[in-house]
Amino acid sequence: NAGVTQTPKFRILKIGQSMTLQCAQDMNHNYMYWYRQDPGMGLKLIYYSVGAGITDKGEVPNGYNVSRSTTEDFPLRLELAAPSQTSVYFCASSYWVASKNIQYFGAGTRLSVL
Amino acid sequence: DQQVKQNSPSLSVQEGRISILNCDYTNSMFDYFLWYKKYPAEGPTFLISISSIKDKNEDGRFTVFLNKSAKHLSLHIVPSQPGDSAVYFCAARYGNKLVFGAGTILRVKS
Repeated sequence: NAGVTQTPKFRILKIGQSMTLQCAQDMNHNYMYWYRQDPGMGLKLIYYSVGAGITDKGEVPNGYNVSRSTTEDFPLRLELAAPSQTSVYFCASSYWVASKNIQYFGAGTRLSVL
Repeated sequence: DQQVKQNSPSLSVQEGRISILNCDYTNSMFDYFLWYKKYPAEGPTFLISISSIKDKNEDGRFTVFLNKSAKHLSLHIVPSQPGDSAVYFCAARYGNKLVFGAGTILRVKS
């Protein structure tokens, strides 16, 4: 019963490096989301997707890119890592039932940019 | 501009007593409110929710109250248990998106 799986769990990057954070869900959810959480702050939405091939910006999209080629996968790309991108990243997925849209989260990726 | 605020960074409660966690919001377009619970090194997990057309929703030991005129919601946990110790996030829905508060750390002492 995997749910939402994020890899890697931890990563240290040097300034200017790039990497992809992986997210996969096995619940056949249409909606997927990427958040970042900085210390003492709530989760802030980076990008989201309402289905394969459809993505949209959230509150803090600068410095990130996403793609959604399948229902299951929603990778987040950092092209030129900066210290301001040091954070914990959470991926989530959801579906709508009536008016309910509950998001299910992965365990997170802790990223440090040095 | 914080649209969802949890003004208490932490709360400490004795086991068996009531825990009350508060949340204020500013956007009257929010139509659904949720509480999530988060343990260290894990992702948030859904706890309870309430539609903006209701003022109360109950699920076992957890009750959420919504006061739309005051733009305020609260989560009541009765009785509190040591396993409830976690970070609690309030979230509000607008369209397809959730806006989260900064969280409140709850410590339940045995």
